[in-house]
Amino acid sequence: AQTVTQSQPEMSVQEAETVTLSCTYDTSESDYYLFWYKQPPSRQMILVIRQEAYKQQNATENRFSVNFQKAAKSFSLKISDSQLGDAAMYFCAYGDSWGKLQFGAGTQVVVTP
Amino acid sequence: GAGVSQTPSNKVTEKGKYVELRCDPISGHTALYWYRQSLGQGPEFLIYFQGTGAADDSGLPNDRFFAVRPEGSVSTLKIQRTERGDSAVYLCASSLELGKSYNEQFFGPGTRLTVL
Repeated sequence: AQTVTQSQPEMSVQEAETVTLSCTYDTSESDYYLFWYKQPPSRQMILVIRQEAYKQQNATENRFSVNFQKAAKSFSLKISDSQLGDAAMYFCAYGDSWGKLQFGAGTQVVVTP
Repeated sequence: GAGVSQTPSNKVTEKGKYVELRCDPISGHTALYWYRQSLGQGPEFLIYFQGTGAADDSGLPNDRFFAVRPEGSVSTLKIQRTERGDSAVYLCASSLELGKSYNEQFFGPGTRLTVL
């Protein structure tokens, strides 16, 4: 079975600064995907960024980028130029070839002015 | 277009009662997923459908939980003889098709179930 571990319950960052959220996972599969989702207080899960395991190039979406280390089974998220609207719970998720998602416990991001 | 909708947004029930939670996926999405999110935790997979059939129900915790999707669109999660431990937010998601993990799953706002 796959497991996803997020070891940082909470991270605080000042506006305009950069914060990095860590995530490790365990799997014996070769075909999988990794995701970062954002969940604001409204409960709506929003996809932030996605990485295909077979791609070596790290995914980037505007101010969000990942550092994917396949051998180390590590998948961190970097938020650059943090904004107040980035404050939310962030979940790392592992997706198998069928689309079933396994989530980590989440990291609460607090953005201070 | 409209996103995934879930009703009710909140449901309070008493221990031992039966509840139904509804999910309306995005039109045209053939894959539908249910997850359960307990307080302070990440969502946990319950079941997913491709069309009308449950392709994987391995996440359902016990036989009190059942889900249907009779016409391949709307899905209902049914919980019999509710217990206090069933209290959680139940999330529904849909995607274009199953078997393609790169297809984005679009989540609904969830139903918060409270069992007294």
